[in-house]
Amino acid sequence: GAVVSQHPSWVICKSGTSVKIECRSLDFQATTMFWYRQFPKQSLMLMATSNEGSKATYEQGVEKDKFLINHASLTLSTLTVTSAHPEDSSFYICSEGRASTEAFFGQGTRLTVV
Amino acid sequence: GENVEQHPSTLSVQEGDSAVIKCTYSDSASNYFPWYKQELGKRPQLIIDIRSNVGEKKDQRIAVTLNKTAKHFSLHITETQPEDSAVYFCAANAGGTSYGKLTFGQGTILTVHP
Repeated sequence: GAVVSQHPSWVICKSGTSVKIECRSLDFQATTMFWYRQFPKQSLMLMATSNEGSKATYEQGVEKDKFLINHASLTLSTLTVTSAHPEDSSFYICSEGRASTEAFFGQGTRLTVV
Repeated sequence: GENVEQHPSTLSVQEGDSAVIKCTYSDSASNYFPWYKQELGKRPQLIIDIRSNVGEKKDQRIAVTLNKTAKHFSLHITETQPEDSAVYFCAANAGGTSYGKLTFGQGTILTVHP
């Protein structure tokens, strides 16, 4: 069964509003989780590393004030897209950060900003 | 940082033929190289992976080879079937760190014709 649960699976929001995406680790205390973004017909791009109890680490070019990451517990990381715009429409997907086993991905969230 | 190049971007084969997808990476510290199959709107599905202490790994019709010196790895699918049609991504872990912190190739659209 799934070891990483991501919600919602899809969301439509109005331009200018904020959207929160949750990523839960179901069987592992994940001190580190990762957030990826995938635009249509493109590859997955790492956005940020979510660290339990501390600030997230963002990849170059990703606006930390726009994509707020909170990792308050060992089983939950959240990504909030603030003041969303149509260009933020994408597939967002999280994964666990295990040291030496395969990465487990959430189901992904299809965000559409209208 | 890590850079992963994947070729070809599209690959069309007849059922029963073999398919080969190639990737190169730049970070010599990378030590984990997974291959994913992704269907539209879904999470990536791990099909095979290889660690840097191994040169080749096989799982039924799927095999992966790794050349650390040349920094390239390849996916080989034999006896292709129409259900193998999908987008395939290679990846490498950044800096030899967590297996969850991945840099993905650009993807290959594989089409297997009956």
